[in-house]
Amino acid sequence: NAGVTQTPKFRILKIGQSMTLQCAQDMNHNYMYWYRQDPGMGLKLIYYSVGAGITDKGEVPNGYNVSRSTTEDFPLRLELAAPSQTSVYFCASSRGSIWVGNQPQHFGDGTRLSIL
Amino acid sequence: TQLLEQSPQFLSIQEGENLTVYCNSSSVFSSLQWYRQEPGEGPVLLVTVVTGGEVKKLKRLTFQFGDARKDSSLHITAAQPGDTGLYLCAGKTADFNKFYFGSGTKLNVKP
Repeated sequence: NAGVTQTPKFRILKIGQSMTLQCAQDMNHNYMYWYRQDPGMGLKLIYYSVGAGITDKGEVPNGYNVSRSTTEDFPLRLELAAPSQTSVYFCASSRGSIWVGNQPQHFGDGTRLSIL
Repeated sequence: TQLLEQSPQFLSIQEGENLTVYCNSSSVFSSLQWYRQEPGEGPVLLVTVVTGGEVKKLKRLTFQFGDARKDSSLHITAAQPGDTGLYLCAGKTADFNKFYFGSGTKLNVKP
């Protein structure tokens, strides 16, 4: 039961570097989400996707980009890493929309990213 | 400021004690979910409540949705070390269908 798989688990970047956080799900879910979790701040939605080829901005999209070429994969890209992007990043998926009905989200185990 | 305020922020208790954590808002929610997150892992859904006044039980955990659908509580009876984790509430607002997470209550149950 893989569910949602995120790689890498940990990464340290220098300011200005770029990287891609990988997320894959094997549940054939249409909806996928990227969140960041900062201490005492809860989870904030960065980007989401309602299906292959369709993505949209969440609450805190600045500094990030996403793509969704397949149902399974939803990578998150940081182009010019900044210290403010130090956080724990979670990818999630759901069968239906979280804004309609009461769909549970299935989360990966997160990527802990430090920008120095 | 968070649309969903959770309290207390931290709670450390002995095994066997009872506890209640709260999730409050000034907005009306059409549904609320509770998640538990263990260190190094992602949140896992525990329950969804959708009706004002609704009570759901999951073994030693009791979840309640407020009558006005602005708040929810989680009560744990006879807490065990395995209950240790971050408890997050999350919900969908009734007006614009926006989805929010609270900042969580970090629970530590000492053996």
